[in-house]
This record gives sequence, C-alpha cells and structure tokens, in this order.
Amino acid sequence: DTGVSQDPRHKITKRGQNVTFRCDPISEHNRLYWYRQTLGQGPEFLTYFQNEAQLEKSRLLSDRFSAERPKGSFSTLEIQRTEQGDSAMYLCAFGENNEQFFGPGTRLTVL
Amino acid sequence: GENVEQHPSTLSVQEGDSAVIKCTYSDSASNYFPWYKQELGKRPQLIIDIRSNVGEKKDQRIAVTLNKTAKHFSLHITETQPEDSAVYFCAASKASGGSYIPTFGRGTSLIVHP
Repeated sequence: DTGVSQDPRHKITKRGQNVTFRCDPISEHNRLYWYRQTLGQGPEFLTYFQNEAQLEKSRLLSDRFSAERPKGSFSTLEIQRTEQGDSAMYLCAFGENNEQFFGPGTRLTVL
Repeated sequence: GENVEQHPSTLSVQEGDSAVIKCTYSDSASNYFPWYKQELGKRPQLIIDIRSNVGEKKDQRIAVTLNKTAKHFSLHITETQPEDSAVYFCAASKASGGSYIPTFGRGTSLIVHP
C-alpha cells in the first residue's frame, strides 16, 4: 500500500459521456500528480498540485480535461465528451522529496 | 522538452543471469533519474533512483549507473529471479514548479525464465 487510493478502479463509458475520477491520499501529502498510461507506454504526466494549487499542466491536458484539488487533500480528474483515444489507465501519485508513489489507477475504456 | 529513449523493449534471460537496461535522455538539466517496476495489472513501483551528483548506486541485487556527459543511465539486475519479471521504466526529471516532473521511457519487458 503506497498511501493512495483511486476510485473507481475501472470505468467503461460510451463516447461523448463525461467521467470523473477521484484520488485520495491516505495521509497528508502536499504534492499530488496525475498521469495517463496507455498500453506499451510509460506514464505520461498530465498535471501536478502543490496543496490546492495546480502548478503544472501538460500539453496533453486538452480543454476536455480538468483537475481539481479543492482542499489540498483528495483530487478529481474530469474528462468531458470522452473519445476512444482517452482509453487508458489514469494514475494518481503523491510526492515526497523527489520521489513519487503511484496509486492503483483507474482503467478507463471508452466504447 | 525532455526525450527519454529506453532499450531493449524486451529482455529475456535465464534465472541467475544478469540483466541490463539502458536509457538515454536529451535535456542536460535533468538531474534525477528514478526507475520503476510494474508488474502486470499493477501500479508502477519505485525500485531505485539516482541523482546527478552520484555516478553509481547499489541496493542489493540492483544497481544504477549514470553518465552525465553522455546523458545515459542504466539499470543492472544481478542473479535474476522469476519474480523480477515485469516491465521496467526509466525516467529523467528536473525541478519544475517546485517539484520534479519525470519523463518516462517506453519500458522494458523483462522475462526471467526459471
């Protein structure tokens, strides 16, 4: 257990629907990250929070994607108008010093 | 931006042999290099890392080396065991916005045959 839970673990949706994922660090962590991982690839950085402030956003994060961390604890990632290309594993991670520890991920399948 | 190349994409060894995975990076400002192990259907797990002020680091059967001049770093696993079978990812990162944002390689699928 790396101290991060994600919900749901699996999500199947139809193209055009909106989906929201949640990440809960089990204990207090200032830094929280979202990544996307597709089959055969390494994780790709999406965005990063320092407490409730979103400090970095990747170019991968199109205007259909939005992330929040309203109280500096849990975070949500929403994808609007899903496309088949959004199918991937969405990983949340928390950071300590330089190191990052990943949650179990949410696997999204867009039909 | 940073570009990380990782080789080989697949590595098959016999139990007890050594395995070496190599990565190159493009951004000379990168100064933190973690390695992750990902078993099938599970999360990536940090197994070892190295910082740019160090040339080599060892932890039991695994070791990492870093050549800053050539911009490449490697993971070495000795006395491989079947439970070492997994996908291994290297990453290169530098400070950005108060944190380190890693760029990952595409992964190496290590298969250790008993």
